[in-house]
Amino acid sequence: QKEVEQDPGPLSVPEGAIVSLNCTYSNSAFQYFMWYRQYSRKGPELLMYTYSSGNKEDGRFTAQVDKSSKYISLFIRDSQPSDSATYLCAMNKNGAQKLVFGQGTRLTINP
Amino acid sequence: GAGVSQSPSNKVTEKGKDVELRCDPISGHTALYWYRQSLGQGLEFLIYFQGNSAPDKSGLPSDRFSAERTGGSVSTLTIQRTQQEDSAVYLCASSLAGQSNEKLFFGSGTQLSVL
Repeated sequence: QKEVEQDPGPLSVPEGAIVSLNCTYSNSAFQYFMWYRQYSRKGPELLMYTYSSGNKEDGRFTAQVDKSSKYISLFIRDSQPSDSATYLCAMNKNGAQKLVFGQGTRLTINP
Repeated sequence: GAGVSQSPSNKVTEKGKDVELRCDPISGHTALYWYRQSLGQGLEFLIYFQGNSAPDKSGLPSDRFSAERTGGSVSTLTIQRTQQEDSAVYLCASSLAGQSNEKLFFGSGTQLSVL
């Protein structure tokens, strides 16, 4: 079993919809939780970062972490075609340098 | 440039040949990472450098894989006697100091195809 599980999709929604992306994990030592966005033929870029449990909002994006359930989410409001990309969750233990990534969810926003 | 640069962007090789992949990190970043992304898979950690030292090379899949970093800057990932299962995108990233909560800056990767 992988340390981090993420549904690979693909997920296709109409423009303007609210998108929910999720990951589950098994290692309770994870403290830092990130979401990276990867466009085709590009490297991932950091989208959101959260430390421990809680919510974080940045514009149309909201990241949630529930450590008791070992479950993290990324919500995208008012989705745009430019949001079409692969979204990867990633997490890290305190003091570690090795980020553990989910498989990535391929998202398409249809105009 | 201001970002992480990787070369070549694409590499096609024959099974059994050696390949070298290059990464030029952001200037001033002491931490450098190599990841591998196979088709439909997430990123798999390979190795982490702090300066020229590699305190964590736990992700290298076999002794055919090696990496070095010189001058605290450029890094080379070498794969000897390539196999078809080595086909993947090899991504390099750098960060300022290698702290657990730091943002990683990724290059666009080298697409390796082993025929």
